[in-house]
Amino acid sequence: AQSVTQLDSQVPVFEEAPVELRCNYSSSVSVYLFWYVQYPNQGLQLLLKYLSGSTLVESINGFEAEFNKSQTSFHLRKPSVHISDTAEYFCAVSDQTGANNLFFGTGTRLTVIP
Amino acid sequence: GAVVSQHPSRVICKSGTSVKIECRSLDFQATTMFWYRQFPKQSLMLMATSNEGSKATYEQGVEKDKFLINHASLTLSTLTVTSAHPEDSSFYICSARDPASGGDTQYFGPGTRLTVL
Repeated sequence: AQSVTQLDSQVPVFEEAPVELRCNYSSSVSVYLFWYVQYPNQGLQLLLKYLSGSTLVESINGFEAEFNKSQTSFHLRKPSVHISDTAEYFCAVSDQTGANNLFFGTGTRLTVIP
Repeated sequence: GAVVSQHPSRVICKSGTSVKIECRSLDFQATTMFWYRQFPKQSLMLMATSNEGSKATYEQGVEKDKFLINHASLTLSTLTVTSAHPEDSSFYICSARDPASGGDTQYFGPGTRLTVL
């Protein structure tokens, strides 16, 4: 089975500052990796994903994540955050066999301070 | 594309009653849907995997008779919380995979907030 660790439960950051949300995973097989964002009282929205190919993946709203196989990491970054980025961010992993059961980290609460 | 809806968004019920939550894939056919439960300030916990036309697969510790799942069509799965009690109050979220686009990504519904009085 797979597991995900998000070491930072809360990350406060000032508006327009850069941010990195950390995610590490463990798995004995090849994996897919995902970042989801959850706004208050809403479901999860897919932010970006790594399936194969380029290890650097980007979202439409300026976030990017890099798959690092040797460090088993998939950290999420943004060079300049906005107030609207305040949300809960979940890292998730699934195997590539087709069952695609997602294993979630415990989430990181990003709070952007004006 | 890949939109998943849930209904209702919020429900309040009395202890002992049953509540049905619907999960629909609006623009794709989903052979597999998933039901999660999320407690306040916690991550999502997979409850069961719903397969169209067959019985759901429940995760360890989830009561099959309490959380009834039906996946009668390729676009609809329902979760019925039977004889609900206050400890069943939670945020229930469904997701679905789109096999036509590779089936490697789960798309989530907006969630249903259940409050049992």
